[in-house]
Amino acid sequence: GQSLEQPSEVTAVEGAIVQINCTYQTSGFYGLSWYQQHDGGAPTFLSYNALDGLEETGRFSSFLSRSDSYGYLLLQELQMKDSASYFCAVNPDSNYQLIWGAGTKLIIKP
Amino acid sequence: DTGVSQNPRHKITKRGQNVTFRCDPISEHNRLYWYRQTLGQGPEFLTYFQNEAQLEKSRLLSDRFSAERPKGSFSTLEIQRTEQGDSAMYLCASSPSTDGGEQYFGPGTRLTVT
Repeated sequence: GQSLEQPSEVTAVEGAIVQINCTYQTSGFYGLSWYQQHDGGAPTFLSYNALDGLEETGRFSSFLSRSDSYGYLLLQELQMKDSASYFCAVNPDSNYQLIWGAGTKLIIKP
Repeated sequence: DTGVSQNPRHKITKRGQNVTFRCDPISEHNRLYWYRQTLGQGPEFLTYFQNEAQLEKSRLLSDRFSAERPKGSFSTLEIQRTEQGDSAMYLCASSPSTDGGEQYFGPGTRLTVT
């Protein structure tokens, strides 16, 4: 089967840094994506890693280690508006259908 | 860039009725995906189009579900003989052929089957 594991919930303080981990077991691997979803909203693309290493986009960074089947999303300078669910998703083949994790609910406290 | 649009945003139907949803992708994107999402879960892949060709369909999709993308533009998803278990958010996404890792989602259609 194909599976992605990520923590169900993470709590952090406004202004702090938080890391959300994702491990995957899939039949193939083309890349790891991260999406943000606010309650009642649609997923919004954050980042995509096809190669090992760290990708930085503003306050958000994403890391991938293909040998460890592992990645993480790093959020810096947390703001209250970052409270949302964060999903990791894998492309197992060239059709780019996404296999999704169950999501991590990020709770930010003032 | 008007983004991905979906209609209707909400649909309430009685069990056994047929429903049809529409998705208009970003105009220059030739890949189009349909997903289903229930509360507390990640989106679940349903089907995928490259232009007008339906290239993949989830094994989880029963014969009651059908999707089309005539002329490679908008797409429709039809559910026949709806069941209460079909209640979910139906999401459409599109992406350019050069990078399917970045998908743009519409606001979704929330289906409630009573």
